[in-house]
Amino acid sequence: DQQVKQNSPSLSVQEGRISILNCDYTNSMFDYFLWYKKYPAEGPTFLISISSIKDKNEDGRFTVFLNKSAKHLSLHIVPSQPGDSAVYFCAASVGTSGSRLTFGEGTQLTVNP
Amino acid sequence: NAGVMQNPRHLVRRRGQEARLRCSPMKGHSHVYWYRQLPEEGLKFMVYLQKENIIDESGMPKERFSAEFPKEGPSILRIQQVVRGDSAAYFCASSTAGNQPQHFGDGTRLSIL
Repeated sequence: DQQVKQNSPSLSVQEGRISILNCDYTNSMFDYFLWYKKYPAEGPTFLISISSIKDKNEDGRFTVFLNKSAKHLSLHIVPSQPGDSAVYFCAASVGTSGSRLTFGEGTQLTVNP
Repeated sequence: NAGVMQNPRHLVRRRGQEARLRCSPMKGHSHVYWYRQLPEEGLKFMVYLQKENIIDESGMPKERFSAEFPKEGPSILRIQQVVRGDSAAYFCASSTAGNQPQHFGDGTRLSIL
């Protein structure tokens, strides 16, 4: 039972354009959502998070949007840079303190110069 | 300001041997989590520990796997009598108590011959 799904295994965009990565979830108990970036042979690096009491959170080039009614969140990267090329994982948890993360399968983002 | 440290980075074992994976959390972090990533999949939660206590082990296989986080020293994930299906990347994460994201180490890649 995949409670967090990233339906696009890969995404390719041009440098300077917007990258939009999508994530859907089924568990209505999830109330904290995170995005991680992962390079080969390294661990996931935390990018940005959002609590269910918000519908948007912004940090520099990264913005996460949450649509609770649709159980959908997205990560926008503007402008995209070649160094952003990596696998992006969406994750969710019930509560923020001491809670296990449930991950999606990941989306490989390639930013072309 | 060291991050989450995992060792070894690579571990090769023959079927039937034991594997010990170590994780030192970030300074000031009292929560430790272990995740496993099989090839072409996302990360799957295994166990959540605080000092000397297992808080949630619902993701651990029922047999051969155990974890500890002693009062002194690193957290240990132990796999007894390894089988080929145990080949994976094992990631450790840590966090403080409260509303903070989990930060990951670079993982241990376990290969079973």
